[in-house]
This record gives sequence, structure tokens and C-alpha cells, in this order.
Amino acid sequence: QVQLQESGPGLVRPSETLSLTCSVAGDSMSGFFWNWFRQPAGKGLEWIGRIYSSGTTKYNPSLKSRVTMSVDTSRSQFSLTMTFVTAADTAVYFCARGGSYCKHWGRGTLVTVSS
Amino acid sequence: EIVLTQSPGTLSLSPGERATLSCRASERVGSNYLAWYQQKPGQAPRLLVYGASSRASGIPDRFSGNGSGTDFTLIIDKLEPEDFADYYCQQYGNSPPTTFGGGTKVEIK
Repeated sequence: QVQLQESGPGLVRPSETLSLTCSVAGDSMSGFFWNWFRQPAGKGLEWIGRIYSSGTTKYNPSLKSRVTMSVDTSRSQFSLTMTFVTAADTAVYFCARGGSYCKHWGRGTLVTVSS
Repeated sequence: EIVLTQSPGTLSLSPGERATLSCRASERVGSNYLAWYQQKPGQAPRLLVYGASSRASGIPDRFSGNGSGTDFTLIIDKLEPEDFADYYCQQYGNSPPTTFGGGTKVEIK
């Protein structure tokens, strides 16, 4: 059973860069799509983007200018970088596996943007 | 991008009752690529249904999805105590970006 675990700073200053890593265990990363989602408190889910195991990416157009994803299959990890964050980026960030719908998710990590 | 509108916002029911959740799309969802998730506080979403009507592995048969085009429904037959949660629909037929509805909260009456 594949397991995903998000990690990274829980607090980021406004205008700085948010960096998160998702560690994958229990299965190979090869041949799969890997996603980032976020969910502000009390609100719905937003897809941030996805990366294929080969490194090909697709981003949500609303965030594309600030987001970069990378993958390191040798370390079974993929990462999210988001620049110039504001309070509106405060949310629980989830990583998940899937090219369309997602069956396997991490437990999520709260990122707060505040000075 | 496709906007998904879920109704009602909150559904108040008793255990053993039937829950009917609606998800309406702003335009036709390609290939009826519509999924449903359950989410409990502090937890990740749990995939229930994909392709509008295919139940994910390990999901009890009291959960069923149907619909096509722009109108989709999730039915929970005979609510169990563990079914009280938030539910989200997701379209992935016209993506990227994949989009989600605003959610329906199923609460105990």
C-alpha cells in the first residue's frame, strides 16, 4: 500500500517562498502522476498541479506563475515550491497520487503565511 | 474552467436514512469523468466513486454514484454513524485544471 507524507515549514513569511516535500513509501514512483492540492480552513479543495515520474508538469493556470514542482525518484520524493506567498496561501497542503482522480493521499500539512 | 456547484450545503439526517447529494457542472463533463470524495475533520479526502458511477475499492455498496453530462448525484443508502462527514465532487474530464465543488456537509440531525 503506497503511503505519502508531506513535510516542510509550518510558517512562511509574506512575500517569501513556500517549499514542501512529499515522501513516497510502499511503491515505486515510476509511471505515476504526483499531485499537490491545498485546502484553506473551512473551505474546499484546490488543485495546484501535478508532475509525472519523468518530470513533465502541469500547473493550475491560476497559480502557474508562482509554482514549480520537481521529482526525485531515486529518493522517492517530489516537491512543491511557491513564490511570493501571501496570507491567501495559508492552507493545509496535501500530496496525492493519480493522473485524474486520486486514491492515495498524504495526511496534509498546515502552512501558515504570517509575519 | 468547469465550475461545480454542490447542493445542499448542509444535509441534516438521522442514521439509517438515505442521503442524496447533488453536483452540477457549469458545462458538460467530458466522458463523465466525475469523482466523489468523503472528508472527515483533520483527514485527507477518501475516494468513493470515479467515472461518475464506479465505486472505488474497499468502499461499501451503500455508496453509489450516478449522472451524466452536467448533473451528478451521490447516494448514501442507510447512513451509518461513520458516514457523517463532508463530501466533495471533482471533475477531471476537462482538465487541467481539475476542479472541485464547494462541498456538502452531512450532519447528524
